[in-house]
Amino acid sequence: DAKTTQPNSMESNEEEPVHLPCNHSTISGTDYIHWYRQLPSQGPEYVIHGLTSNVNNRMASLAIAEDRKSSTLILHRATLRDAAVYYCILRAPNAGGTSYGKLTFGQGTILTVHP
Amino acid sequence: EAQVTQNPRYLITVTGKKLTVTCSQNMNHEYMSWYRQDPGLGLRQIYYSMNVEVTDKGDVPEGYKVSRKEKRNFPLILESPSPNQTSLYFCASSLETGRGPLHFGNGTRLTVT
Repeated sequence: DAKTTQPNSMESNEEEPVHLPCNHSTISGTDYIHWYRQLPSQGPEYVIHGLTSNVNNRMASLAIAEDRKSSTLILHRATLRDAAVYYCILRAPNAGGTSYGKLTFGQGTILTVHP
Repeated sequence: EAQVTQNPRYLITVTGKKLTVTCSQNMNHEYMSWYRQDPGLGLRQIYYSMNVEVTDKGDVPEGYKVSRKEKRNFPLILESPSPNQTSLYFCASSLETGRGPLHFGNGTRLTVT
């Protein structure tokens, strides 16, 4: 299975940018890079995903390395509500990929935001 | 509202008493999956389903069964629960293609005594 590696924890101050890294050196050419976050006592929620180009949405930005072996989730101005566990996973686009049905989440990165 | 609904939210049971945790989605998603979450171990996949009548094992399928008779429902069955199945369970769904996001339910906290 395609595997991702993330730091166990990171800290930030409120209103500062946060860069959450993810390594995925075994990514296949067609895998999408997905990010999810889990707030305390809630189910994981989708944040953003991308394939090759950098992506932006209302929640965050996703910067993907040119060789696609790593990516960075960027929260432009962290708020206290962004304190959560952030997961980076790979998803194959079709049944030919090893990350199509079977998904590995890992332990994610615990983000602490200080007031 | 598009959502994944799990029931019950909390369940306390005894060893060996069969139980079912239901999961239903209203987004016409082909893909559905079950996860368990334990402290220090992150989210681990139990079973997944690509479509109706198609299910397959995830990383930790032992002690669990699933069925996918209808597209919207994907129940998780514990035929003979044991204390090591005490955990927080999440159901998720998505479009068949991996291009789309996963939608998660709010979780079921199961305690087996």
